[in-house]
Amino acid sequence: DGGITQSPKYLFRKEGQNVTLSCEQNLNHDAMYWYRQDPGQGLRLIYYSQIVNDFQKGDIAEGYSVSREKKESFPLTVTSAQKNPTAFYLCASSATGNTEAFFGQGTRLTVV
Amino acid sequence: AQSVTQPDIHITVSEGASLELRCNYSYGATPYLFWYVQSPGQGLQLLLKYFSGDTLVQGIKGFEAEFKRSQSSFNLRKPSVHWSDAAEYFCAVGPVGNRDDKIIFGKGTRLHILP
Repeated sequence: DGGITQSPKYLFRKEGQNVTLSCEQNLNHDAMYWYRQDPGQGLRLIYYSQIVNDFQKGDIAEGYSVSREKKESFPLTVTSAQKNPTAFYLCASSATGNTEAFFGQGTRLTVV
Repeated sequence: AQSVTQPDIHITVSEGASLELRCNYSYGATPYLFWYVQSPGQGLQLLLKYFSGDTLVQGIKGFEAEFKRSQSSFNLRKPSVHWSDAAEYFCAVGPVGNRDDKIIFGKGTRLHILP
């Protein structure tokens, strides 16, 4: 079945450690997105990529980094510079043009 | 700049009652509009979308939405809600295919269902 896979579903890390969240899609979509979700704040865009080897900062990119070396993969690294990393992270993808986004099931990151 | 406003943070309705969730957008051209639903701890699922044509669009789970250009609105409706409809609902606009375009989401409306 085609879809987006985020792993792991739950992730725990100690403060000061970098952590990488995985996002893989087999929908052959060109565009991929990372969102952060906190209670009452909706979805905030961290980074997005419209094509391989290219990506743009979203509204809250500070403390995060991404890469897009392959069309199907868009990993997100939460660095130690992110002041408040505990949150629910959602990855999405869409075809180019005017189409909807498809979402993964999310990764809940807890930093202690 | 694109923006999406969902004026209601929480909505409570009784099971079997009708539902309308409001969404207003700001966009310089004909927008592409979406409604998504999210159950706790899950990803977002597309309910319906509007690209062009008929301004009343039908979606899954008995939902529909009406695009009103004059009011810059895309409200979601359901004639009779079920307890399983309790979730958070997000309205979204875009993208339009330009390199820097991205999907913009509203802050969401949490729907509570009374038995």
